[in-house]
Amino acid sequence: KQEVTQIPAALSVPEGENLVLNCSFTDSAIYNLQWFRQDPGKGLTSLLLIQSSQREQTSGRLNASLDKSSGRSTLYIAASQPGDSATYLCAVRRPDNSKLTFGKGITLSVRP
Amino acid sequence: DAGVIQSPRHEVTEMGQEVTLRCKPISGHNSLFWYRQTMMRGLELLIYFNNNVPIDDSGMPEDRFSAKMPNASFSTLKIQPSEPRDSAVYFCASSLVGEGNQPQHFGDGTRLSIL
Repeated sequence: KQEVTQIPAALSVPEGENLVLNCSFTDSAIYNLQWFRQDPGKGLTSLLLIQSSQREQTSGRLNASLDKSSGRSTLYIAASQPGDSATYLCAVRRPDNSKLTFGKGITLSVRP
Repeated sequence: DAGVIQSPRHEVTEMGQEVTLRCKPISGHNSLFWYRQTMMRGLELLIYFNNNVPIDDSGMPEDRFSAKMPNASFSTLKIQPSEPRDSAVYFCASSLVGEGNQPQHFGDGTRLSIL
């Protein structure tokens, strides 16, 4: 059974800092991995999707990497801003269907 | 461009009552997902549909939960009878599966409180 872990559960950093959010998964047989952002009282917004054959994806100040063999992904946020404060979740998709398995998320607070 | 629409946004009811949650997926999407989110267990998939057909309902907690998708633009998740432990935020998501890697798009959720 696939398990996705995100540690730590919460993180507080000063504005401007570059930071890395970690995600690990137990079964390396994945179809893709997604990073989502969730704001309080809202649904999830997809940030980046990495195919199993890819090593990384970039969008603006965000960069996500994938190392399937070690079961790890990182989300790098450059020059963090208070508006980046949210919960960040990673999820992996199995090859045989559309089911996503989510981590519990990392709640990020960027202090002005 | 309308996203996934869920109703109601909030629901408070007494235990034993029937609860119906509604979802309108993004037009053109062929897959729909129902999730439940709690502090303890995080985000869990309850059931998902592909082309209106239930594909995997292994996450449905028990017989009190049922989901339907009568057409491509509407789905319901019903709890009968409801219990306090059903209190959670329920999300609906949709995506286009089968044409490359398409991300899932989430609604804003229904916050359910069972007293």
